[in-house]
Amino acid sequence: GESVGLHLPTLSVQEGDNSIINCAYSNSASDYFIWYKQESGKGPQFIIDIRSNMDKRQGQRVTVLLNKTVKHLSLQIAATQPGDSAVYFCAEMISYGGSQGNLIFGKGTKLSVKP
Amino acid sequence: KAGVTQTPRYLIKTRGQQVTLSCSPISGHRSVSWYQQTPGQGLQFLFEYFSETQRNKGNFPGRFSGRQFSNSRSEMNVSTLELGDSALYLCASSGSIQIQGQGRRYFGPGTRLTVT
Repeated sequence: GESVGLHLPTLSVQEGDNSIINCAYSNSASDYFIWYKQESGKGPQFIIDIRSNMDKRQGQRVTVLLNKTVKHLSLQIAATQPGDSAVYFCAEMISYGGSQGNLIFGKGTKLSVKP
Repeated sequence: KAGVTQTPRYLIKTRGQQVTLSCSPISGHRSVSWYQQTPGQGLQFLFEYFSETQRNKGNFPGRFSGRQFSNSRSEMNVSTLELGDSALYLCASSGSIQIQGQGRRYFGPGTRLTVT
């Protein structure tokens, strides 16, 4: 779809397996992080977010892990399903004294689930 | 609750023309931001509006402009279109940029602009 870049990293997993998508963020001052899923022909869909005062947060079938020491974020999807096939983006943000800056997106990872 | 809507969904323009894209945020949301998505550059921030005021602006030329109306609806305009402006333009809304924890941007389906 239109969201896929020419050289997106691709992760291919078997249906039912767990998936781990990694993201390195750029700014050590970033204090808010979001994962989005984008299917072909659609806008990014919010999955889960985490603030920098946490290192783990769980949602339904998804877990986000944050390692501020190495500026690394990961998204774990349990029991991956064909409907999880999409491009996944991480995004970071710096809050400014209660206001919020803009989201800075990573390049994305394409997840392909084999039935 | 209805999601973010964007019109038109598809648009074809010629170099040198100008274009206006429209975004209606989720009801009750006061912040609208715009992003450009291309295969080469990914998702890039254009600008963000809150209560009719531009709060943040990305690194795009002055040909790209926007505004927000009192009902929170937003428009973005691109003048003197170039081939490189061909992209998916995404609008996102959020509840408030003044409150911690309200960083969730909810995206619309986008407007696919093709410049020939």
